[in-house]
Order: sequence, then C-alpha cells, then structure tokens
Amino acid sequence: QSALTQPASVSGSPGQSITISCTGTSSDVGSYNLVSWYQLHPGKAPKFMIYEDNKRPSGVSTRFSGSRSGNTASLTISGLQAEDEADYYCCSYAGSTTYVFGTGTTVTVL
Amino acid sequence: EVQLVQSGAEVKKPGESLKISCMGSGYNFAASWIAWVRQMPGKGLEWMGIIYPGDSDARYSPSIQGHFTISADKSISATYLQWSSLEASDTALYYCARLSPYGGSFDYWGQGTLVTVSS
Repeated sequence: QSALTQPASVSGSPGQSITISCTGTSSDVGSYNLVSWYQLHPGKAPKFMIYEDNKRPSGVSTRFSGSRSGNTASLTISGLQAEDEADYYCCSYAGSTTYVFGTGTTVTVL
Repeated sequence: EVQLVQSGAEVKKPGESLKISCMGSGYNFAASWIAWVRQMPGKGLEWMGIIYPGDSDARYSPSIQGHFTISADKSISATYLQWSSLEASDTALYYCARLSPYGGSFDYWGQGTLVTVSS
C-alpha cells in the first residue's frame, strides 16, 4: 500500500484557481468514490475539506471543490486567498477498512 | 459537540513503553471507527490503523504495522495507541480521527500528541 502521489507544491496569485492532483491505483482511488481532502495549517489539527470525491462538509467554503477521474482525484481552490496557504492531503479508502494518505502538497499564495 | 481530546506530549527513551490516548465525547463513541495518523518530523500524514470501539475490531496499515498496537475501552470512550519498545523513528506527532458515519472520511480530529523518543 503506497502513498498516493501529490505534487510537492503548487502556487498561485490571489484570486487565481489552482488544482492539486492525487494519483493512486485501481486498488484505492480508482475503486471507490471515497477520496477525501484535508487542510493542515502549522500547529493545527487537520481540517476536513472534501469527502466522497466531491462533497463539501458544512462550513467549508464553496471555493473548494473536488473531482475524480479514474485513478486520479483533484482538489481545486478557486479565488485563491492568503488564508488558503497550507498543506493539503488527499486520502482514499483502500479496502478492508484501511485507508491511505497522499504525499501532501504545499500551497503557496504568491 | 463532537470532540476528540488526546493525551499530552511525551518524551521517552528508546526501548521504553508508551500508551497515548484519545477520548471522545459528544457522539456514540462505540459506534464510530477511530483512526490513528502519524506525522513524522518534516513529513506527511500516514494512516496507521483504525479501531471500532464497539467490539475493538482493529485494522492496520500494511505498510507500517507490527510495531504498535491500537486498542479501545468503550466504557470510558477511549482509544489507545501503544508501543512496547519505542524507537527513535517513532518520534512523531500522532493524531486520532473519527471516521465519518457517512463513511470514507475523517470528520473530527484530536489536537495531536507529540511523542519524542531520544536517548
């Protein structure tokens, strides 16, 4: 069970849109509609941003959206804001009540 | 309000044992899986394992299992992560997280427990 692959870093200017990819395999991302995304700010616990590939929990900004195609899921942040600068991790169900996280992406707002 | 509260930071020596805890409140603790996630210094999140407090059914990551044990005590709404013999490589920030009742995601997280293993 290997970590899902994410780009190490993505950057954008305020107001722009960025997309973070999350590539797995047919044993995890590709087999289930169960990719979730988490935002980590330094010194704080992870925040739950997206579940079931593209659903937003209550209270999460509509600027965050998720999608999935085959073995690759994506998180898009539109209207980038300074407060979006953080680390982002995807996570996928991998069968038999096990899960796997992505390698993580640092988002920088220029 | 759903809350997961973890035990405090620990400093241990290699070879020592340790048990850290995660206490849940505000929901039916026994009926939701709780996962443990680690973040080693400068590294990403790693899923370690998960337990169903109702019957203590535990599953472990195939990648990092064997060195630690996950347990639960539903009578006091607690789950535990324990080591019998710590190694320096166990130095990390450990989070517990609740598996959403809707499945597939972790909706509430503890504040994290920093474990430092150093001689």
